[in-house]
Amino acid sequence: QKEVEQDPGPLSVPEGAIVSLNCTYSNSAFQYFMWYRQYSRKGPELLMYTYSSGNKEDGRFTAQVDKSSKYISLFIRDSQPSDSATYLCAMKIESNYQLIWGAGTKLIIKP
Amino acid sequence: DVKVTQSSRYLVKRTGEKVFLECVQDMDHENMFWYRQDPGLGLRLIYFSYDVKMKEKGDIPEGYSVSREKKERFSLILESASTNQTSMYLCASSFLGLGQSGGYGYTFGSGTRLTVV
Repeated sequence: QKEVEQDPGPLSVPEGAIVSLNCTYSNSAFQYFMWYRQYSRKGPELLMYTYSSGNKEDGRFTAQVDKSSKYISLFIRDSQPSDSATYLCAMKIESNYQLIWGAGTKLIIKP
Repeated sequence: DVKVTQSSRYLVKRTGEKVFLECVQDMDHENMFWYRQDPGLGLRLIYFSYDVKMKEKGDIPEGYSVSREKKERFSLILESASTNQTSMYLCASSFLGLGQSGGYGYTFGSGTRLTVV
């Protein structure tokens, strides 16, 4: 079993829809949770990060962490075709600088 | 604009060749990483370095070596390229103290798509 599980998709939704992307994990020691966005033929870029549990909002994006369920989510409101990309979750423990990655979910926003 | 620069976007090499992939960062980051990315397998860590001349094996180091002679430069070497090393190679860097005070993120280069024929 992988430490971090993420559905690879693709997930296809119409423009304007609310998108929910998710990851589950097995290591209860994870404290830092991140979402990266990767456009085609580009490297991943950091989109959102959260420390421990709770929600964090940035414009149309909301990141949620539920440590009791070992489950993290990224919500995208009013989705746009420019949001079409692969979204990777990543997490780390306090004492380590290595990130543990999900496999990435390919998201397609249809105009 | 801070960045990580990978020397080549696309490379085609022959089986058995020695291949060098170069990565340079201008952010004074201590950590540097080499990943490969394959469909369905996600990012897999090959090697990382937390200081000049220091290196640590990642999850899939076989067939690869690295060199870090200067803080800003981290090179990945394929000693004898094979077709199963055809992949997207991504370099990343981060601060040593990754966390609330040190920043959370890795900064990635744009990748090198290597094809071994």
